[in-house]
Amino acid sequence: RKEVEQDPGPFNVPEGATVAFNCTYSNSASQSFFWYRQDCRKEPKLLMSVYSSGNEDGRFTAQLNRASQYISLLIRDSKLSDSATYLCAVNGVGNTPLVFGKGTRLSVIA
Amino acid sequence: DVKVTQSSRYLVKRTGEKVFLECVQDMDHENMFWYRQDPGLGLRLIYFSYDVKMKEKGDIPEGYSVSREKKERFSLILESASTNQTSMYLCASSRFGDSDEQYFGPGTRLTVT
Repeated sequence: RKEVEQDPGPFNVPEGATVAFNCTYSNSASQSFFWYRQDCRKEPKLLMSVYSSGNEDGRFTAQLNRASQYISLLIRDSKLSDSATYLCAVNGVGNTPLVFGKGTRLSVIA
Repeated sequence: DVKVTQSSRYLVKRTGEKVFLECVQDMDHENMFWYRQDPGLGLRLIYFSYDVKMKEKGDIPEGYSVSREKKERFSLILESASTNQTSMYLCASSRFGDSDEQYFGPGTRLTVT
């Protein structure tokens, strides 16, 4: 089983829609979780950390489900500018760096 | 604001050339990383460093080496560039430990002809 898995998409949604992405991870001991956003031909940028109790930042909500070993990102009221690839990252086994998913591509359509 | 800079945005090199990619961070971060990113393959870790003069192999170190002589600078070296090393190369840094969020540089798009 791969350490971190994401549905590659693309997710094509109309403006104003609510969309959710999941990211499953294999290491039950993982403690740190992040969502990154990557625009076409640009570097990944940290979108938000994911806390155990869940957290919200404007239209974005991140949640952690330890029992099923996945994190989720919910985007409400999608904007055209939300079109990007969203990568999840989870800390690895032992003293290894963060493991990144391959990303989920979102296209918000007018 | 964390700043990670990379020496070039675009680079074109010939097969067999030695290539140096430089990365500098200005936030006194302990950890630095080199990735390559290819369509459909995601981010793949080449090398990382948790301290000056320390380096660890990532998932795909073959054909690459690194140097970290100063805390703020982490260099990636392609000893003899090959066409299959054409890729986007991304440098990142993080404060300390294996759990901290990473901050990325703008990337270097390397083409080997």
